[in-house]
Amino acid sequence: DAKTTQPPSMDCAEGRAANLPCNHSTISGNEYVYWYRQIHSQGPQYIIHGLKNNETNEMASLIITEDRKSSTLILPHATLRDTAVYYCIVRVDPGGYNKLIFGAGTRLAVHP
Amino acid sequence: GAGVSQSPSNKVTEKGKDVELRCDPISGHTALYWYRQSLGQGLEFLIYFQGNSAPDKSGLPSDRFSAERTGGSVSTLTIQRTQQEDSAVYLCASPGQGTYGYTFGSGTRLTVV
Repeated sequence: DAKTTQPPSMDCAEGRAANLPCNHSTISGNEYVYWYRQIHSQGPQYIIHGLKNNETNEMASLIITEDRKSSTLILPHATLRDTAVYYCIVRVDPGGYNKLIFGAGTRLAVHP
Repeated sequence: GAGVSQSPSNKVTEKGKDVELRCDPISGHTALYWYRQSLGQGLEFLIYFQGNSAPDKSGLPSDRFSAERTGGSVSTLTIQRTQQEDSAVYLCASPGQGTYGYTFGSGTRLTVV
């Protein structure tokens, strides 16, 4: 079962920041938070990941709360091409390997 | 190759027929994952390969589903006696190094009629 909960949908105006929340209250100390997005008819695309510290890359920023029970993905200046389903995932490590357990995601619609 | 390749991109089959779906992962990557995505749903884990062995098959929905990997490279997912509920997009992923994310293929869209 997925270890994350996300709102099913969100809207954002083009050019504004999109802030996508995620709850992962049962996360374990060594489990990473990953974010992926899936644009219609394509495979999921990696965005960013983090453990404890906030992270930033060319695509987005990831803010993780101090207790690690929730996080927020920030797209600083959303464009129409950012319309997609965004998945917040806790990477689990069953033993000697890892796997990503996807939830239902948040469908982000960016409008003009 | 530079990315994960899957074939065919689309497959329509009649109920009861067997199908084979192919994944060619990133060259040199020893780990490989198969996922399934039904219409409007998130991704469902099916199986994990390390080299040619599959230590985690926990997501395979029934014994009609099987997968193999040869030479530590290409993997084939086989569905026997297909049913309409098998209709979905089947995705293959090849992990990056260390803690970086997976690279997914574009998937095979399977339609059972």
